Amino acid sequence: QSVLTQPPSASGTPGQRVTISCSGSSSNIGSNTVNWYQQLPGTAPKLLIYGNSQRPSGVPDRFSGSRSGTSASLAVSGLQSEDEADYYCAAWDGSLNGWVFGGGTKLTVL
Amino acid sequence: QVHLQESGPGLVKPSETLSLTCNVSGYFISSGYYWGWIRQPPGKGLEWIGIIYHSGKTYYNPSLKSRVTISVDTSKNQFSLKLSSVTAADTAVYYCARDLSSYGSGNDPWGQGTLVTVSS
Repeated sequence: QSVLTQPPSASGTPGQRVTISCSGSSSNIGSNTVNWYQQLPGTAPKLLIYGNSQRPSGVPDRFSGSRSGTSASLAVSGLQSEDEADYYCAAWDGSLNGWVFGGGTKLTVL
Repeated sequence: QVHLQESGPGLVKPSETLSLTCNVSGYFISSGYYWGWIRQPPGKGLEWIGIIYHSGKTYYNPSLKSRVTISVDTSKNQFSLKLSSVTAADTAVYYCARDLSSYGSGNDPWGQGTLVTVSS
């Protein structure tokens, strides 16, 4: 049982906009920034969004993040086949003094 | 460019101690940042194990704390993970990563990961 809650799956057709939610609590998302990771099949996770909405160099602006209260979301616009991957949200938890992750959302491009 | 590479046995017997090392290149651990371990059981999600600063200060996942030790060797520019009394539930891909939490960011970059199987 993950501390952060994500839907197990999401899907869309090429060109569509898809959002993935991440729900937490006051000790994690409510008081610390949220990061998102993309894990392509058979590879290590890669930092996709940090600080709620910042993109590391090289990440397309089709990916965007936001946070409100104890929830966060990742949006993927102009969906492409190469976006098919698992996506994880994460936040530092002040009560546990460590990182907590969501269970992951498998994004399928139909 | 910072690069991390995990190494260690791919098979560990139940009740024994899992030992992994993460070699860092392209950055001196002694220069700063936290460095950590994260694992992923086959077909499942990510679980944070713990982090260490070059000074030796550590933070561990409370659920693993009694069995985990993370250490750092700045002379070799590497850090290590020991997990004692392993069971089949500890079978996972183990990743090392640089932790940028003190800068408002996340874990980046990650090593490629190494699969550790616990079995007799």
